[in-house]
Amino acid sequence: DGGITQSPKYLFRKEGQNVTLSCEQNLNHDAMYWYRQDPGQGLRLIYYSQIVNDFQKGDIAEGYSVSREKKESFPLTVTSAQKNPTAFYLCASSIGHNQPQHFGDGTRLSIL
Amino acid sequence: QKEVEQDPGPLSVPEGAIVSLNCTYSNSAFQYFMWYRQYSRKGPELLMYTYSSGNKEDGRFTAQVDKSSKYISLFIRDSQPSDSATYLCAMTQGGSEKLVFGKGTKLTVNP
Repeated sequence: DGGITQSPKYLFRKEGQNVTLSCEQNLNHDAMYWYRQDPGQGLRLIYYSQIVNDFQKGDIAEGYSVSREKKESFPLTVTSAQKNPTAFYLCASSIGHNQPQHFGDGTRLSIL
Repeated sequence: QKEVEQDPGPLSVPEGAIVSLNCTYSNSAFQYFMWYRQYSRKGPELLMYTYSSGNKEDGRFTAQVDKSSKYISLFIRDSQPSDSATYLCAMTQGGSEKLVFGKGTKLTVNP
């Protein structure tokens, strides 16, 4: 079955630690996205990538980094510079411009 | 004014009711409109995708776009307890790689 796989489902971070969230898709989509979802805030775009080896900052990129070395994979690193990382993180992909995005089932990140 | 406004609810209806969910927007360049359903602790799932104005029906769901009023709606007929979820609207303009989302409306359908 085609889809987007995010792992892990739950992740805990200690103070000062970087953590990496995995996102893999087998839909052969060119574009991939990372969002953060907080209660009452809706979805906020962190980073997106239209093509391998290229990515752009979204609305709230500070404290996050990404890479896009393969079409199927778009990992997100939450760095120690992100002071309020507790949130639900969603990865999405789409065929391209104007097209709907398809989402994974998210990773919930909490601080120890 | 926010680009997309969506009443967060919560909205509570009895089983079998017709549900109306709505979003308003300010950017007249938006042409592509989507509705997503999100269950608790899950990712959003695409329900409807429409282009420009008009209606689109899929089973118990109807999406309506009124570009002159900058207003979109999702109607759910014969609502079921399994429809209980948060519903997000999203939209984009031609050539854009980004979607703009509403904050979501939480719906509960009571048996």
